[in-house]
Parts: sequence; C-alpha cells; structure tokens
Amino acid sequence: EPEVTQTPSHQVTQMGQEVILRCVPISNHLYFYWYRQILGQKVEFLVSFYNNEISEKSEIFDDQFSVERPDGSNFTLKIRSTKLEDSAMYFCASGTGDNSPLHFGNGTRLTVT
Amino acid sequence: DAKTTQPPSMDCAEGRAANLPCNHSTISGNEYVYWYRQIHSQGPQYIIHGLKNNETNEMASLIITEDRKSSTLILPHATLRDTAVYYCIVRISGGYNKLIFGAGTRLAVHP
Repeated sequence: EPEVTQTPSHQVTQMGQEVILRCVPISNHLYFYWYRQILGQKVEFLVSFYNNEISEKSEIFDDQFSVERPDGSNFTLKIRSTKLEDSAMYFCASGTGDNSPLHFGNGTRLTVT
Repeated sequence: DAKTTQPPSMDCAEGRAANLPCNHSTISGNEYVYWYRQIHSQGPQYIIHGLKNNETNEMASLIITEDRKSSTLILPHATLRDTAVYYCIVRISGGYNKLIFGAGTRLAVHP
C-alpha cells in the first residue's frame, strides 16, 4: 500500500539554525499538509498546499515557516530560524481532495537545543 | 468544522469489543465523520469514515445515529496493539479541507 514517507526521522539542530523537513506524499495525491505535535499535546494543523500554493495556514505558521514542492515528488517544510519552542513532531499528510481520508507520514522529531 | 466530544479515556479487555463514542451535535449536512488513531508518537492512522450510513472495513465499524449527532467506533475484537489515542473528527467534504484534531480518547487494552 502506498504511504507518505518523511525524512529524517529525527533532526537535532541549534537554536537559530535553519531546518528543512522533507516529505514524499503518495504519488497521485494533490493536496498536501503539515501538522505538528508538541510532546504531550494535540496534533495541530500548520498549513495546507495545493496547486503550488498555500491554501490555508494556521496562526502558528508565521514568517519563520515556508513550504515548497520543489519537484514532482517532494514536499518540504522550512523553518528559517529555529526556536526552542519549535521542538515537536512534524507530520506530513496528503490527500486526493475528495472525501477520501488524509494519509500521514510517521513524522520527523525536531529537537532544538 | 463542527466540534466533537469524546471521553478522555477508556479501558477494554483483550478480545472484547471496544466501543468508542463521539458526540458531534453541531454537525452539518456536508460534514463527514472520520476516525483516526495514534499509537505512541507515530503519525495518525486513518481507520474509517462515513457520512450517514454505517460503515465497516477490515479495521472497524462506524455506527452513526440517524440524526447524525453522535457516532460510535467499534473495534470488534480488541488486541493489545489497539492501545492508542482515538480521534473522532468532523470534516467538510472535498477540496483541501484540513482535519482538526482534538484530545481524543486514550484507549487502553489490557490482557
């Protein structure tokens, strides 16, 4: 069964550094999402992306965040200057845009020191 | 998106059916009910979804009341591996519409 894959599984970075989290969505999906989950808290929506542009973003998704689909397969989340509070699991998801479910990857654990 | 209410935690004996309730009294006609689960810190895993009819797949059954204000997810023979947080989510159909996760129900399956 096709699945969403995310790399790396764990990323450690120093405060102020830039990080790029990578995702390969399911190949025929058209809608892409990033979520995050701070340890012990809810899964929170960050951004949705369709047709090479952001469809919707939450208030968490400020100017420090950006998303890109650089080629036909990858979908990336960039955090420009990481803060301690960016430490979380980051999940990528993709969907076909109808009533079919979103499918999630197993996440990247980002640790900012 | 309509809000959902779930009990924070439930227990179930291994081999028995787990019935997880969800209230979504403000659901509107074009909103579907989705169930996901999250095991440890893995990505949310899709289980089942429905609009108004009951649904069944290899993982679970979804029973939606006639007025659509509540639903029940049934795991017919729970195993230890079903221990997880279960999320009931109401989502407008189509397009890029996101899923909004609440706190879910923490299901503990015990021997």
